[in-house]
Amino acid sequence: GENVEQHPSTLSVQEGDSAVIKCTYSDSASNYFPWYKQELGKRPQLIIDIRSNVGEKKDQRIAVTLNKTAKHFSLHITETQPEDSAVYFCAAKLKTSYDKVIFGPGTSLSVIP
Amino acid sequence: NAGVTQTPKFQVLKTGQSMTLQCAQDMNHNSMYWYRQDPGMGLRLIYYSASEGTTDKGEVPNGYNVSRLNKREFSLRLESAAPSQTSVYFCASSAGRATDTQYFGPGTRLTVL
Repeated sequence: GENVEQHPSTLSVQEGDSAVIKCTYSDSASNYFPWYKQELGKRPQLIIDIRSNVGEKKDQRIAVTLNKTAKHFSLHITETQPEDSAVYFCAAKLKTSYDKVIFGPGTSLSVIP
Repeated sequence: NAGVTQTPKFQVLKTGQSMTLQCAQDMNHNSMYWYRQDPGMGLRLIYYSASEGTTDKGEVPNGYNVSRLNKREFSLRLESAAPSQTSVYFCASSAGRATDTQYFGPGTRLTVL
């Protein structure tokens, strides 16, 4: 069945350093890849997304890259700040099932001041 | 706009009891979803509804039923609760186009004793 893998499961970085989270998906027909941030005790919220016809997208300190051939996509956070500490989820929306989104297991990011 | 709302926020059940989790959205979205979130396992799709009057199974539908009462409301029912259903449950909605953002409710923390 459809699957999204995510690595690493936990990540600690010093404030100001960069953080990279990587995901792979199994369904080559997937066409939309959102990233969500979930702070402790709160709901997941979209931070950035990318479509299958785009290779890279940036929004201030956050960027996402997509390699369709390898079925990989990654989240890059530069100049990390303590408020970036949260759990990050990647996801893939399946083209074969119009509204079905599969989430990765999440990465717990800690930014050390 | 309240966005996506869920009731109750917290619930404790005994094994075998039943209950219904309520979800409503005021964004005129077509698609609605129920997820469960367990430590280390991310968000797993229980059921989704692409439009009023339709529902489909997700990754982990066993032990649950859903009702798409109208365009605004999507309820999740546990007929005979089991300790394995202890989890945080999130409802989400999206406009339903292929790349639309999912907006999450605040979650319901359910404990089954």
